Amino acid sequence: AQSVAQPEDQVNVAEGNPLTVKCTYSVSGNPYLFWYVQYPNRGLQFLLKYITGDNLVKGSYGFEAEFNKSQTSFHLKKPSALVSDSALYFCAVRGPGANNLFFGTGTRLTVIP
Amino acid sequence: DTEVTQTPKHLVMGMTNKKSLKCEQHMGHRAMYWYKQKAKKPPELMFVYSYEKLSINESVPSRFSPECPNSSLLNLHLHALQPEDSALYLCASSWGLAGGPGTDTQYFGPGTRLTVL
Repeated sequence: AQSVAQPEDQVNVAEGNPLTVKCTYSVSGNPYLFWYVQYPNRGLQFLLKYITGDNLVKGSYGFEAEFNKSQTSFHLKKPSALVSDSALYFCAVRGPGANNLFFGTGTRLTVIP
Repeated sequence: DTEVTQTPKHLVMGMTNKKSLKCEQHMGHRAMYWYKQKAKKPPELMFVYSYEKLSINESVPSRFSPECPNSSLLNLHLHALQPEDSALYLCASSWGLAGGPGTDTQYFGPGTRLTVL
């Protein structure tokens, strides 16, 4: 069974401050992990993914995520938040050989000017 | 180019209507997906097509009927829907299904906002 948890429904951060959006996963075997962002009334935009290799993954718009196997986490980070980063963020996981993406419940990020 | 297009953007239909949603990609992807997303919820997988063949049907009611006429096009035919079917319907595509590192990323379209009266 595969699952992903995003423990925070809402994250607020001041503009210019670092941001973290948390994600933990459960999967048999090595996971494929993804972050997507969704702006209001829009589809999901791919931000970054971890398949193998370096635990720190860099993605679009200055975002990065760190894969931590011992803590089964894949937290999304950005050193300096922008107001335009305000959106809904989804973490997703695929198990090895699986066809489906399983999404977390989403975290709404609000960057306060 | 990582664009997936969906039409229409918005659709309002009655419970007796028949309508279709359309999805198109020209990235050469061979896997295409339909997801349903209710407000403030994550997307839920409905169907997966691989090489134009239905690969996964997540126990979706028969009032939703997918069709993949060719490798670039994916349709979702709707008939006798219920008000609870109102949602954002998202299409996605990827190079393939499970496979190497380059095949896994799913790219999503902007969605069709469906309202069933």
